[in-house]
Amino acid sequence: NAGVMQNPRHLVRRRGQEARLRCSPMKGHSHVYWYRQLPEEGLKFMVYLQKENIIDESGMPKERFSAEFPKEGPSILRIQQVVRGDSAAYFCASSLAGSAANTGELFFGEGSRLTVL
Amino acid sequence: QQQVKQSPQSLIVQKGGISIINCAYENTAFDYFPWYQQFPGKGPALLIAIRPDVSEKKEGRFTISFNKSAKQFSLHIMDSQPGDSATYFCAASIRTSYDKVIFGPGTSLSVIP
Repeated sequence: NAGVMQNPRHLVRRRGQEARLRCSPMKGHSHVYWYRQLPEEGLKFMVYLQKENIIDESGMPKERFSAEFPKEGPSILRIQQVVRGDSAAYFCASSLAGSAANTGELFFGEGSRLTVL
Repeated sequence: QQQVKQSPQSLIVQKGGISIINCAYENTAFDYFPWYQQFPGKGPALLIAIRPDVSEKKEGRFTISFNKSAKQFSLHIMDSQPGDSATYFCAASIRTSYDKVIFGPGTSLSVIP
């Protein structure tokens, strides 16, 4: 499967636990984006990463959330000490290197649905 | 303002009818306007996109109309089919060195037989 792969698809955590969401971009893509989708809401930008670099984290909450995209392996979105308000679908997208002016196309994974009890 | 407004929130259309979704933006720096389609349990997928130097773009039954002066754009789905039932997101892309895409809140479309 050459698409964006996210896992786990579903994750249940109790308040205070940690959640780790993984994303493998499409083959050849070096740009990764994380978006959060709440019920009845749109996709909210969280963070944009390239290999080993965080380029834009303006949409990330200041506390408990972090993201990385190591040289080897998938991108990880980490949520520490989860609270019920973190329950959402988290989507990863990838794109080819370049600017939005070229294609504007993001390729999305099927999402990771986090439920905090 | 890096915000994209979208209406209606939900839409019910009879099979064969025209579905119309409207969007508006404030930031004149936006230079690319894609529409994404999302089926339940799936990730969004690019449907059609337009640049501000074009007033209309058509792909099959899907047409984007763009009004630069009003900072508005809309998606028209002609001959709507039950298989078109999905959530549609308009979006805007900022001309920077990366593909940061700002999404509207989405429109849930139901096409009934």
